[in-house]
Amino acid sequence: ILNVEQSPQSLHVQEGDSTNFTCSFPSSNFYALHWYRWETAKSPEALFVMTLNGDEKKKGRISATLNTKEGYSYLYIKGSQPEDSATYLCASPETGKLIFGQGTELSVKP
Amino acid sequence: EAGVTQFPSHSVIEKGQTVTLRCDPISGHDNLYWYRRVMGKEIKFLLHFVKESKQDESGMPNNRFLAERTGGTYSTLKVQPAELEDSGVYFCASSHGRSSYNEQFFGPGTRLTVL
Repeated sequence: ILNVEQSPQSLHVQEGDSTNFTCSFPSSNFYALHWYRWETAKSPEALFVMTLNGDEKKKGRISATLNTKEGYSYLYIKGSQPEDSATYLCASPETGKLIFGQGTELSVKP
Repeated sequence: EAGVTQFPSHSVIEKGQTVTLRCDPISGHDNLYWYRRVMGKEIKFLLHFVKESKQDESGMPNNRFLAERTGGTYSTLKVQPAELEDSGVYFCASSHGRSSYNEQFFGPGTRLTVL
């Protein structure tokens, strides 16, 4: 079973700060990388599905990059807002199922 | 289009009791997955249905867990008898295809507490 790791585990920033966190995954036999945003008691919401080395995707103030050769993806949030507070999860598929990292819990203070 | 729904949202039971969780996937999605997040740890795969057939149940912890998917529609996950370590959030997800590129749509989860 492949191993997916995320860092940091938690992050506390002030409103307006830009922030980024990392997802690491094995670079061999890469298929795709999924990013999700999860607020407690709500459904994890898909942000991006990334497939190609060098991919960069954007959704509003959130963007993500992918490096499949070295096995990492970065998620960036520009000008964090309190409503960005959530746990950000990355996952790599393995025979259909998703293998998740532990998540990065982001807290944005007003 | 309705999303993935799960029932109940919370369940508190005593050790040794039985609990049944239900998942209704998005209509038309053949693939249904169960996952679990134990506090402080990563979300872990439990099993995968394609229609009514179990495709992969390698993540099921032990034989106290039983999953069914009647007629390829909704699914239930029964824990009998429940143990303390079964506490966590149980997520259900569904997808149209089973490709690595297919997005899995998640329900809000059932938070299970075993006392």
